[in-house]
Amino acid sequence: GAGVSQSPRYKVAKRGQDVALRCDPISGHVSLFWYQQALGQGPEFLTYFQNEAQLDKSGLPSDRFFAERPEGSVSTLKIQRTQQEDSAVYLCASSYGAPNTIYFGEGSWLTVV
Amino acid sequence: AQSVAQPEDQVNVAEGNPLTVKCTYSVSGNPYLFWYVQYPNRGLQFLLKYITGDNLVKGSYGFEAEFNKSQTSFHLKKPSALVSDSALYFCAVFLLRGNSGYSTLTFGKGTMLLVSP
Repeated sequence: GAGVSQSPRYKVAKRGQDVALRCDPISGHVSLFWYQQALGQGPEFLTYFQNEAQLDKSGLPSDRFFAERPEGSVSTLKIQRTQQEDSAVYLCASSYGAPNTIYFGEGSWLTVV
Repeated sequence: AQSVAQPEDQVNVAEGNPLTVKCTYSVSGNPYLFWYVQYPNRGLQFLLKYITGDNLVKGSYGFEAEFNKSQTSFHLKKPSALVSDSALYFCAVFLLRGNSGYSTLTFGKGTMLLVSP
């Protein structure tokens, strides 16, 4: 596709509900990243994939967060038993690999009520 | 510790005046530096990057940035600001993550640029 595509753009979840956020990277990009951005803050790294391999998940805040990229293309970030502090924008990004430019999607805005 | 910093939370400038948004970094080895812009309710848009070569890098929308190795800075500049430039600007640097052997982008906290008519 022309750019990184994320869905849903907006999600309101009740506390305790599970959510799944989808990312469609730019075709051919082997590197895929998930970032979390709190209101008024810079993006914070969550996890990184190279093709289907999750090379780093050290940024995931808790074991309620899980990400996968089973076929090396589309990725899903899943949050189980959502809590209010999970409210943030979740940004997906992709690239051909460092130090190439990383391109971001529009983000998925999660509000937990 | 390796890091990237944006010392200003907000920069105010009048339309038509030059603008500068500051960024400093601390990395070992050669830095790979980026600027992104974020408009309200939007994702991050790439503006420009420095990998190697000329210290003055030109990017999108008339922006440019100057890499200064001695001052470890990568300030974003534009000769004549537009009201439509008002947005949140992020400086970022590729940082090696632990002993993994690969790098990911680490962002500054952002600087809000407000251009008044």
